[in-house]
Amino acid sequence: NAGVTQTPKFQVLKTGQSMTLQCAQDMNHNSMYWYRQDPGMGLRLIYYSASEGTTDKGEVPNGYNVSRLNKREFSLRLESAAPSQTSVYFCASNLDRSDIQYFGAGTRLSVL
Amino acid sequence: AQSVSQHNHHVILSEAASLELGCNYSYGGTVNLFWYVQYPGQHLQLLLKYFSGDPLVKGIKGFEAEFIKSKFSFNLRKPSVQWSDTAEYFCAVTNQAGTALIFGKGTTLSVSS
Repeated sequence: NAGVTQTPKFQVLKTGQSMTLQCAQDMNHNSMYWYRQDPGMGLRLIYYSASEGTTDKGEVPNGYNVSRLNKREFSLRLESAAPSQTSVYFCASNLDRSDIQYFGAGTRLSVL
Repeated sequence: AQSVSQHNHHVILSEAASLELGCNYSYGGTVNLFWYVQYPGQHLQLLLKYFSGDPLVKGIKGFEAEFIKSKFSFNLRKPSVQWSDTAEYFCAVTNQAGTALIFGKGTTLSVSS
């Protein structure tokens, strides 16, 4: 039972490079989320997708784009990475929007 | 804007000591409340939740939390901590629209054996 799977686990980028963080869940959940975790800041919501085909901005969306490819997959794209985007990124999903969220193992991203 | 406040940034306890971590939220409407735990190097896991009913909820590993609506609080407690409880603890509340969670900044708990 995989749950929420994120790839890659670690990534180092140079300023200006682009990359896509992948997230997939096998729990038939409707809603998916991307958070970033920074020391002393807790988790902050970047984007979420309440259902397949919809996406909405969270608290800190600037510099990111997302795609809800299908019900299982929700990707996060950094078009031009900046050092301020150095963080740990977590994907989460739940069956309904206010239900328990299940988290992936995270992607640790460093932008130099 | 809605917010969640966790009163303690870092708590240091000895094994067998009692624990209480404070959490207050700003929104007064109907909310779902959660405590998540993140052990070193791991992802967030649900510790316990409150949706409705008995305001005293019990979670895994002997943790419990009490929802006090009049105080907008959802404090986490454990009568006797263990070294293995060393982790970061996050309180979270559904936002007003019910579309996502708002997390507190987290409390790091260090338990010495």
